[in-house]
Amino acid sequence: DAKTTQPTSMDCAEGRAANLPCNHSTISGNEYVYWYRQIHSQGPQYIIHGLKNNETNEMASLIITEDRKSSTLILPHATLRDTAVYYCIVRVREAQKLVFGQGTRLTINP
Amino acid sequence: DTGVSQDPRHKITKRGQNVTFRCDPISEHNRLYWYRQTLGQGPEFLTYFQNEAQLEKSRLLSDRFSAERPKGSFSTLEIQRTEQGDSAMYLCASSPPGTGGGYTFGSGTRLTVV
Repeated sequence: DAKTTQPTSMDCAEGRAANLPCNHSTISGNEYVYWYRQIHSQGPQYIIHGLKNNETNEMASLIITEDRKSSTLILPHATLRDTAVYYCIVRVREAQKLVFGQGTRLTINP
Repeated sequence: DTGVSQDPRHKITKRGQNVTFRCDPISEHNRLYWYRQTLGQGPEFLTYFQNEAQLEKSRLLSDRFSAERPKGSFSTLEIQRTEQGDSAMYLCASSPPGTGGGYTFGSGTRLTVV
C-alpha cells in the first residue's frame, strides 16, 4: 500500500470549512483513497473514499488531484463534534486490511 | 442497535493472566477484523476473517494471541500470559460482502495489564 503524509495537527473555526490535506505521491493506479476519523475513545468511523473523481456524501467532500498524488477532505461547515483524528489511507480495493498512519488531529474551535 | 458490539469495554488484568474479548459484528457482514491501537498511534491490523475462515494474520499476532470466529458470526480474541506491552485498545470491525466499502468499527476494548 502506498504511504500517506498528513499534517500532525490543524485548527479550524466552528462554522468554517475544514480542509484536510493528504499526500500520496506513490499511489498506484488501482489504489483508492479512503478517509476515516476517530473521535476520542471511539473506534474509527468511515467518512468517504474515491479513486480519481471527486466524491461527496452527507459527511464530507473528497477532492483528488488530477495526478492523484494528493487529496483534500473537506468538511463544509465544521462543528465542535468534528474534533477528531482524521486518517487518510490508500489501498487496493480488494485488499482487506487498512494501514493507518498517525493522522491529522483536527480541533474545531468555538 | 445494528453497530459492531465489543465486550467488555474495559479490562484490567494482572500480568500473566489470560484475557478474552468478544466482538459481535453487524449481522449481514461476512468479514471481521481485529486491530490494536496504542496511545497516540493509529490502529494496527492484527487479523481478518471471512465467514469462519481466518485469512490473514499480522506478524504482530504472536503465539500468545489467538482469534476465532466459530460459525462465522461473533469472534473472540484471546491473549494468553498477558504482558504490560499488551496494554492497548483492541478494536473490532466488520464489512459486508463485496469489496471497496468502508468498515464499521466497534468502540473497542481497552486492556490495561498491571
